[in-house]
Amino acid sequence: DAGITQSPRHKVTETGTPVTLRCHQTENHRYMYWYRQDPGHGLRLIHYSYGVKDTDKGEVSDGYSVSRSKTEDFLLTLESATSSQTSVYFCAIGGGGLAGVGTGELFFGEGSRLTVL
Amino acid sequence: QKEVEQNSGPLSVPEGAIASLNCTYSDRGSQSFFWYRQYSGKSPELIMFIYSNGDKEDGRFTAQLNKASQYVSLLIRDSQPSDSATYLCAVKTGYALNFGKGTSLLVTP
Repeated sequence: DAGITQSPRHKVTETGTPVTLRCHQTENHRYMYWYRQDPGHGLRLIHYSYGVKDTDKGEVSDGYSVSRSKTEDFLLTLESATSSQTSVYFCAIGGGGLAGVGTGELFFGEGSRLTVL
Repeated sequence: QKEVEQNSGPLSVPEGAIASLNCTYSDRGSQSFFWYRQYSGKSPELIMFIYSNGDKEDGRFTAQLNKASQYVSLLIRDSQPSDSATYLCAVKTGYALNFGKGTSLLVTP
């Protein structure tokens, strides 16, 4: 397995509370990603990072923020959790590179299951 | 939004048969294509990737790519019950991967 650790693995929280999910990698990859996975929607990109302090939005970024203060850690924050953010969140590393073959594959962490009541 | 489409299934095949999983994509400029397998409650794991038109074989798995038709497929030969999982097709879009919703495969003994 790629050295990716997500924490917490499971969390139940109340609507309106802040939540932070952490992704830690030991592979020194430049690119890191947060996806969410929901039945009927598949995996959808929330945010990604292409370096320390460099981040960009994905398809479903509303209600989420991210930070990357060091190469190995990528944090996903829900400032005020809502029930629609109940999901399984996956961190991934790898990818990157706009051009050329031989790049792009992602390796996923174990996932963090978040329930917002 | 650039689309990646898969039949949700379930696709049911008997043990020992060939399972054929299909995927279409909308971005004609896409260059890199991936197949992932995901067991229930687990994270996606990469099976194989393909960049060039034609077939690419890896053990019991064959990926097929037809860029003119914007079509990617995955063949699993000699299907085993342990192959029962959801198979995700992914297309490289910018710096990330855009995933289909997955096809559920059930291999029956």
